[in-house]
Amino acid sequence: EPEVTQTPSHQVTQMGQEVILRCVPISNHLYFYWYRQILGQKVEFLVSFYNNEISEKSEIFDDQFSVERPDGSNFTLKIRSTKLEDSAMYFCASSERLAGGIDTQYFGPGTRLTVL
Amino acid sequence: KNQVEQSPQSLIILEGKNCTLQCNYTVSPFSNLRWYKQDTGRGPVSLTIMTFSENTKSNGRYTATLDADTKQSSLHITASQLSDSASYICVVSGLSGGYQKVTFGIGTKLQVIP
Repeated sequence: EPEVTQTPSHQVTQMGQEVILRCVPISNHLYFYWYRQILGQKVEFLVSFYNNEISEKSEIFDDQFSVERPDGSNFTLKIRSTKLEDSAMYFCASSERLAGGIDTQYFGPGTRLTVL
Repeated sequence: KNQVEQSPQSLIILEGKNCTLQCNYTVSPFSNLRWYKQDTGRGPVSLTIMTFSENTKSNGRYTATLDADTKQSSLHITASQLSDSASYICVVSGLSGGYQKVTFGIGTKLQVIP
């Protein structure tokens, strides 16, 4: 069964450094998403991406964040200058179509980001 | 402000028993409501999706209900198994201007014991 994959599984970085989290969505999916979950808290929506552009972003997704689909398979989340509060599990998800928002989103296993 | 409240916060049940998890929301406009199962340290896995016009949806031993008038949903798990131990998350989406507003609940942590 096709699945969303994410690398690395765990990333440790120093505050102020740039990090890139990578995701490979399911191959025939067109909509891509990033979420984050701070330890012990609820999952939070960051951004959705379709047709090579951001379709929606939350208040969390400020200028420090960017997303890119550099080729036909990868979908990346970049944090330019990490802060301690960026420490969280970051989930990538993809769906085949939006279809009024009722399409199933498939989540990857997550990347745990630790900022020291 | 869009909110999703879940109860109970945690629940312990014996293997084989049934349980019901609750979700109340204030998301507006409403598009759909999803229930996810999240194992510790893993990504959420979709269980059910319901739109405004649906009031019940089943997926194996999981049955979700939706009352869009009272803005309440429940997830009923029948004949629980040890593998059902996980967090169950209610997620409500609204469509506004063609875009999704996605609000997650904090989840109910279910533990099934032998």
